[in-house]
Amino acid sequence: GAVVSQHPSWVICKSGTSVKIECRSLDFQATTMFWYRQFPKQSLMLMATSNEGSKATYEQGVEKDKFLINHASLTLSTLTVTSAHPEDSSFYICSASSGGRGDTQYFGPGTRLTVL
Amino acid sequence: SQQGEEDPQALSIQEGENATMNCSYKTSINNLQWYRQNSGRGLVHLILIRSNEREKHSGRLRVTLDTSKKSSSLLITASRAADTASYFCATDAGGFKTIFGAGTRLFVKA
Repeated sequence: GAVVSQHPSWVICKSGTSVKIECRSLDFQATTMFWYRQFPKQSLMLMATSNEGSKATYEQGVEKDKFLINHASLTLSTLTVTSAHPEDSSFYICSASSGGRGDTQYFGPGTRLTVL
Repeated sequence: SQQGEEDPQALSIQEGENATMNCSYKTSINNLQWYRQNSGRGLVHLILIRSNEREKHSGRLRVTLDTSKKSSSLLITASRAADTASYFCATDAGGFKTIFGAGTRLFVKA
């Protein structure tokens, strides 16, 4: 099956710093990538949808200036958490789809962010 | 906002028993998917059922879909301790994005 990787798998940073998380589709071209956030014992909340070469579409309540998303190629999307604060500590998961309505999404293994 | 509600929120059963989880959603869909997530890990895709399908099987998994009631169920037969995980339903919410339900935490006791 299709493989999606994320890097890093975990990161600890100081409050006020920025953290970049990469999401790569390893064996297929991902027209669309999605970023989710998951707090402990909760479900995945969609943060934004990114299409290659265009601006990301953010869900209501997600600050686009705080969570910068770049989808510069068909195999790579990045999420940058700017000026991170402890409340941004979460599990961030990306998924990728080759496009088309109803296409299966392939999920990355997630990145655990802890902001001190 | 999330599309789906799942029940039960948590389920504890003995190995060998069947586990049934239910999911309800709010808007029309093209398909519904079930995922599994081990604690602190990524998601594993289990099964996809399209809106024109009523039932689907995959190994020990059986999924039903009732579009008139906007609900789906996941049945795991002959459960094993290794089935312990959180299970989520997810819908396409009529578009490209996938919206997840709240999830059911399943614990299978050996």
